[in-house]
Amino acid sequence: SAVISQKPSRDICQRGTSLTIQCQVDSQVTMMFWYRQQPGQSLTLIATANQGSEATYESGFVIDKFPISRPNLTFSTLTVSNMSPEDSSIYLCSVGTGGNTEAFFGQGTRLTVV
Amino acid sequence: QKEVEQNSGPLSVPEGAIASLNCTYSDRVSQSFFWYRQYSGKSPELIMSIYSNGDKEDGRFTAQLNKASQYVSLLIRDSQPSDSATYLCAARPAGGYQKVTFGTGTKLQVIP
Repeated sequence: SAVISQKPSRDICQRGTSLTIQCQVDSQVTMMFWYRQQPGQSLTLIATANQGSEATYESGFVIDKFPISRPNLTFSTLTVSNMSPEDSSIYLCSVGTGGNTEAFFGQGTRLTVV
Repeated sequence: QKEVEQNSGPLSVPEGAIASLNCTYSDRVSQSFFWYRQYSGKSPELIMSIYSNGDKEDGRFTAQLNKASQYVSLLIRDSQPSDSATYLCAARPAGGYQKVTFGTGTKLQVIP
């Protein structure tokens, strides 16, 4: 299994500002995934990040709001832009190595927007 | 229609009993199935994966898969208070780097 380090672990931000979340993996992985988990809800996929190409966003999520970088095979960032209280969630980075392999998660970033 | 469905619970079982968690999925191309445990405020932790019809056992956990009925279950034997958490069922299509779709989770409470 991959070891995934995500930071910050939590933050309280003012509305209208942006926060960048970092995800570092201890091994090279092809695909990295960003999920959001709103209070009391399950995980919703925001986008899939493939190294060397633009991220693929799920319905309801746009690049202007959630820009993603994937500069190499071990690192990705997700930015939550122009935040509002509705963005208060846990954001999770996940990796998968293809085929039938499982998805492993970082420890998550708990974001509160005030 | 949700792709992966679970009863939200809470499911309450006494300590030492068997907890049975159920999940159905609608997408017939789903080939890989996972159970994650999530403690409050923590990220999901993988506890079981299953790919073939039948049972798969790992310690106190048994995952069961029936692709004809599109049904996945997780049994926890000798339930402990430390098993109290939300259990997420997830499904993934075969091939390549397909995304994992999660159910809404079942909250399990093990009563001492």
